[in-house]
Amino acid sequence: EIVLTQSPATLSLSPGERATLSCRASQSLTNYLAWYQQKPGQAPRLLIYDTSNRATGIPARFSGSGSGTDFTLTISSLEPEDFAVYYCQQRRSWPLTFGGGTKVDIK
Amino acid sequence: QVQLVESGGGVVQPGKSLRLSCAASGFTFLSYAMHWVRLGPGKGPEWVGVISHDGTTKYADSVEGRFTISRDNSKNTLYLQLNSLRPEDTAIYYCARDPAHNYVSPSWFDPWGQGTPVTVSS
Repeated sequence: EIVLTQSPATLSLSPGERATLSCRASQSLTNYLAWYQQKPGQAPRLLIYDTSNRATGIPARFSGSGSGTDFTLTISSLEPEDFAVYYCQQRRSWPLTFGGGTKVDIK
Repeated sequence: QVQLVESGGGVVQPGKSLRLSCAASGFTFLSYAMHWVRLGPGKGPEWVGVISHDGTTKYADSVEGRFTISRDNSKNTLYLQLNSLRPEDTAIYYCARDPAHNYVSPSWFDPWGQGTPVTVSS
């Protein structure tokens, strides 16, 4: 099973700042990594698939990068609605697995 | 618009059973594989299993032999039968569409339903 480790667990930032979230895999994913956003009481929402492809309707301030075992989700300038929990997920092999999440909260 | 609505969750004793449903609308249900994912308290999400457009299934080891995924394409509905429930099965259960495949293949999830909570406790 591929283990995904997200860091930091919590990221405290102010609106307008840049957020950089990390996801490290226990083995190579090539580029088969996705990112999701979840707000309290809501379903997770797909942001990025296959490392760098934005899902439909996702603003350009969200970008993904990386390859192999190290991946990054960047939010270029935080909007008030971006404060949430973010999860990474791999589709390199079964079982599909997720990271433990990074909470982005307001400083 | 694409919509997934889960139902059937509740509080159940260990060893008992429950059946969850997921009603799909806004897309051609029979053209997509569908997944179940759960989110337990204080944990990251956990993939539960997947069903292809025509009924092939694959499960996580933690639920294999206890949970069964099925679908009724005539009713645009996905099901998850949960048997022999354990306290560690306590979670919010989400159905999610595989946006890329109609067969069983590793994928991502888009969209997700709002989830239905399952609590296993005596």
